[in-house]
Amino acid sequence: DIQMTQSPSSLSASVGDRVTITCRASQVIRNDLAWYQQKPGKAPKRLIYTASSLQSGVPSRFSGSGSGTEFTLTISSLQPEDFATYYCLQHNNYPWTFGQGTTVDVK
Amino acid sequence: QVQLQESGPGLVKPSQTLSLTCSVSGGSINSGGYYWTWIRQFPGKGLEWIGYIYHTGNTYYNPSLKSRVIMSLDASKNHFSLKVASVTAADTAVYFCARLSPELPPDYWGQGILVTVSS
Repeated sequence: DIQMTQSPSSLSASVGDRVTITCRASQVIRNDLAWYQQKPGKAPKRLIYTASSLQSGVPSRFSGSGSGTEFTLTISSLQPEDFATYYCLQHNNYPWTFGQGTTVDVK
Repeated sequence: QVQLQESGPGLVKPSQTLSLTCSVSGGSINSGGYYWTWIRQFPGKGLEWIGYIYHTGNTYYNPSLKSRVIMSLDASKNHFSLKVASVTAADTAVYFCARLSPELPPDYWGQGILVTVSS
């Protein structure tokens, strides 16, 4: 299985901050990487797919980049509704695998 | 807008079979070339992809669970199902159903259902 390593596992930030989360794959996955946001008691919500494609309806402050084994999710200006846990998912090789998550909380 | 809803027992005894159903509304599970998938989230928040089923009945199961999992679908009821046999406490999780487009990660998800394995 492909291992997905996210960093950091948690971070504290303030409204307006620029936030960057990284996901590293244990082998090359082209650009077959998605980012999800999850809030307590809710299902994950797809933000980004194929590494940099923004899901319809998702604010443009979210962006994704990378290919191969290194990927980044950036929130350009953190908003109150963005405090949540973020997961990456590789959809290149079966079985698809998730990162362990990054929790963004209030500083 | 597609909506998915999981249903089934919230408590299962060890060694028994966990059975869940995902009802789909706003679209037919037979149309559009979509795949239908199950994902679970453990109490520690880790996510595990269980597998998928296509409307033809083709399936893929995660090897970590392959010997214990069966997925099926019923087009007449527009729902698909998951069975996990011989459960243990390690199968305690929130189970989500979701939709896949070919080669793309899940877009629409159900709200999830907590299944606890305990005697």
